[in-house]
Amino acid sequence: GAGVSQSPRYKVAKRGQDVALRCDPISGHVSLFWYQQALGQGPEFLTYFQNEAQLDKSGLPSDRFFAERPEGSVSTLKIQRTQQEDSAVYLCASSYSGGGSEQFFGPGTRLTVL
Amino acid sequence: LAKTTQPISMDSYEGQEVNITCSHNNIATNDYITWYQQFPSQGPRFIIQGYKTKVTNEVASLFIPADRKSSTLSLPRVSLSDTAVYYCLVGAIPDTGRRALTFGSGTRLQVQP
Repeated sequence: GAGVSQSPRYKVAKRGQDVALRCDPISGHVSLFWYQQALGQGPEFLTYFQNEAQLDKSGLPSDRFFAERPEGSVSTLKIQRTQQEDSAVYLCASSYSGGGSEQFFGPGTRLTVL
Repeated sequence: LAKTTQPISMDSYEGQEVNITCSHNNIATNDYITWYQQFPSQGPRFIIQGYKTKVTNEVASLFIPADRKSSTLSLPRVSLSDTAVYYCLVGAIPDTGRRALTFGSGTRLQVQP
């Protein structure tokens, strides 16, 4: 079956622009996570949804970052007024939280802010 | 969450067995040990998970001593396609599906011909 997909795969933005990154999780997966991965580092947690509810947003670095999952499936991570330090790969992962222990990751969106 | 320490990089040759050790001195009673693999330009992929002793699947083996303060991921007869970054994670399950993963910097494995 289809895995987690993300779009766009690459995004170049000028500093100050707003961007929106999309994640399509595996169908039926209740839990959805966003991670940020800087070059040469491991992924770092940003936010977590259970269905449409955002249960944890403690990893969002600033109020310029906003995530939503209005119907409990597709999720969008929005970054307002992008800055150069926002350049990173943004990973989305989903899991079936009915006792499963594995998160399935998408390929990520590489964001470059000029 | 328990902090993990693993080597920054390792080199190997095709056909060899590779063992990557991870230290997690502060592991809690409810914590499990999980390993993920990440190829360039891809998201991490689950490899194996265990609580104690030894776990084996079609890809790897995971050895966990009795004190659980470390674990060793064993990759038998590596090939060039095993070149990747390997992450050791420690956290409680079974509700991991509801909990974010905490990654370290990982171990960069380079397999040579």
